[in-house]
Amino acid sequence: AQTVTQSQPEMSVQEAETVTLSCTYDTSESDYYLFWYKQPPSRQMILVIRQEAYKQQNATENRFSVNFQKAAKSFSLKISDSQLGDAAMYFCAYGTKAAGNKLTFGGGTRVLVKP
Amino acid sequence: DADVTQTPRNRITKTGKRIMLECSQTKGHDRMYWYRQDPGLGLRLIYYSFDVKDINKGEISDGYSVSRQAQAKFSLSLESAIPNQTALYFCATSDPGGGRSYNEQFFGPGTRLTVL
Repeated sequence: AQTVTQSQPEMSVQEAETVTLSCTYDTSESDYYLFWYKQPPSRQMILVIRQEAYKQQNATENRFSVNFQKAAKSFSLKISDSQLGDAAMYFCAYGTKAAGNKLTFGGGTRVLVKP
Repeated sequence: DADVTQTPRNRITKTGKRIMLECSQTKGHDRMYWYRQDPGLGLRLIYYSFDVKDINKGEISDGYSVSRQAQAKFSLSLESAIPNQTALYFCATSDPGGGRSYNEQFFGPGTRLTVL
């Protein structure tokens, strides 16, 4: 079974600085997808960024970027120029089309942003 | 209006009670999912459905049942609630996607359930 591990329960960052969240996963599949979701205090799950395993280029969405290392099964999220609104729980998730788009989530990392 | 809605948003119930959580969507998606969220464990899949006649168990289905009343509605039931079912429950929907494309899941706002 696939597993997703987030080893940092909590990270703190100064406003305008950069923070990197770690995620590792275990899979025997070659075609899969990786995601980072943000969960603010409102509880809503918000998709931040996605990465297709068959793409070598790392995904970027504005201030959010990933470092996808397929051989190492690592998928980290970098938040640049951190803003107070970035404070939230962040979940790494894994999915495959073969498994019906089901998602397997990591345990989450809480990001605190200090003004 | 929200594309994926869940009712109730919050619920407190007692051990042994039957409770139903409801999910409705206006996105026209065939696939629907129920997850529960616990601190430190992230979200875990309870049940999922590819269409009205196709329902499957997820990682942690014991103690739960589901009903897909229509393409747009997917309900989760706890037949006899117990305290360790206290959690945040999410419904999600997606389309299968064509070719290699993987369509994202859209989540409802969640239901906070407390079993006393």
